[in-house]
Amino acid sequence: GENVEQHPSTLSVQEGDSAVIKCTYSDSASNYFPWYKQELGKRPQLIIDIRSNVGEKKDQRIAVTLNKTAKHFSLHITETQPEDSAVYFCAGVGGSYIPTFGRGTSLIVHP
Amino acid sequence: DAGITQSPRYKITETGRQVTLMCHQTWSHSYMFWYRQDLGHGLRLIYYSAAADITDKGEVPDGYVVSRSKTENFPLTLESATRSQTSVYFCASMYQGADTEAFFGQGTRLTVV
Repeated sequence: GENVEQHPSTLSVQEGDSAVIKCTYSDSASNYFPWYKQELGKRPQLIIDIRSNVGEKKDQRIAVTLNKTAKHFSLHITETQPEDSAVYFCAGVGGSYIPTFGRGTSLIVHP
Repeated sequence: DAGITQSPRYKITETGRQVTLMCHQTWSHSYMFWYRQDLGHGLRLIYYSAAADITDKGEVPDGYVVSRSKTENFPLTLESATRSQTSVYFCASMYQGADTEAFFGQGTRLTVV
């Protein structure tokens, strides 16, 4: 089955800095890579996703890149704000339709 | 209300007791999942269901039982609760398709004492 590794486990930045979270996956059949944000005490919610036929996708301050050859994908957040503080999960989804999640990254944005 | 809801939100139970966590979705999504969230482990899949009457094990199924007699409901039962099952449990649903979003319930915080 799919195995998704996520790094770092904790990321601390100053407000206005950029943040990058990286994931790798094992199943070459995976073709959908969503990112979820989980605020403290809340449910995970989708913030951006990328499909295997696309190398990069951007939505305002967040962007995701995918390198299928290397089986890497990354989340980039620019101009971070305190409200970006949360746990972020990457996931890989393949033909089994089962989302496999990374272990999460706790992002802390200091004002 | 439309969406996916879990009950109860909080539960304290004793070791050895049976407890059932409920999950209900109103979208008629084919796929439903149960994950547990523990610090340092992220979201680990317990069981999933591709349709009514079709269920299968995930990464950490031991000690859990599921059923899905109706598309909208996917209860998770801990047959004999253990302290190691203290966790936050999330139910999720997804329309059939590998490139679609999974929607999560609010979570159930279960404490086994």
